[in-house]
Amino acid sequence: SAVISQKPSRDICQRGTSLTIQCQVDSQVTMMFWYRQQPGQSLTLIATANQGSEATYESGFVIDKFPISRPNLTFSTLTVSNLSPEDSSIYLCSAEGENTEAFFGQGTRLTVV
Amino acid sequence: GDSVTQMEGPVTLSEEAFLTINCTYTATGYPSLFWYVQYPGEGLQLLLKATKADDKGSNKGFEATYRKETTSFHLEKGSVQVSDSAVYFCALSVSGTYKYIFGTGTRLKVLA
Repeated sequence: SAVISQKPSRDICQRGTSLTIQCQVDSQVTMMFWYRQQPGQSLTLIATANQGSEATYESGFVIDKFPISRPNLTFSTLTVSNLSPEDSSIYLCSAEGENTEAFFGQGTRLTVV
Repeated sequence: GDSVTQMEGPVTLSEEAFLTINCTYTATGYPSLFWYVQYPGEGLQLLLKATKADDKGSNKGFEATYRKETTSFHLEKGSVQVSDSAVYFCALSVSGTYKYIFGTGTRLKVLA
């Protein structure tokens, strides 16, 4: 099974700034995903990070707010831009495993003040 | 579109009680079904999974059976422990992809 390292594990940011979250997988994977878990809520898929092309965003999420990079088959970043208190959430990275099983990072807990 | 409906919590049980957390789904195609657990302050961990109808996933005393006729994947455990206190998420993978759709999560609290 893949091991996913995500950092930072938590951060407190000022409104109007940006935070970049890194996700490192210990093996090459084709598919990587970013999810958001708002306080007391379930996980919502933000986008699929594609290697060599732009990310594919889900309805309600846009590239200007959530730019994503995928420079190679083991690494991706998610930036949350122009932060507001509503962006306070846990952000999780996931990657494909076997038989449609996905593996998740530990998450990044973002608090915007 | 595809969706997962999960019973609302919180669920509070005494140690050694029987646990059921209901989960139903709607999906086109043939999704895989999962239960994930999130312990306080930690990330998501896969608890069990089932990839086709009538499959039973099991792990750590938890079980769930993929019931296509009732579009359900209920989580059960015969005797819960305090250490099982966590939030449990039912999820499906959109057919043929690794994109997951999650239920809203059910918080379980087990009292000694």
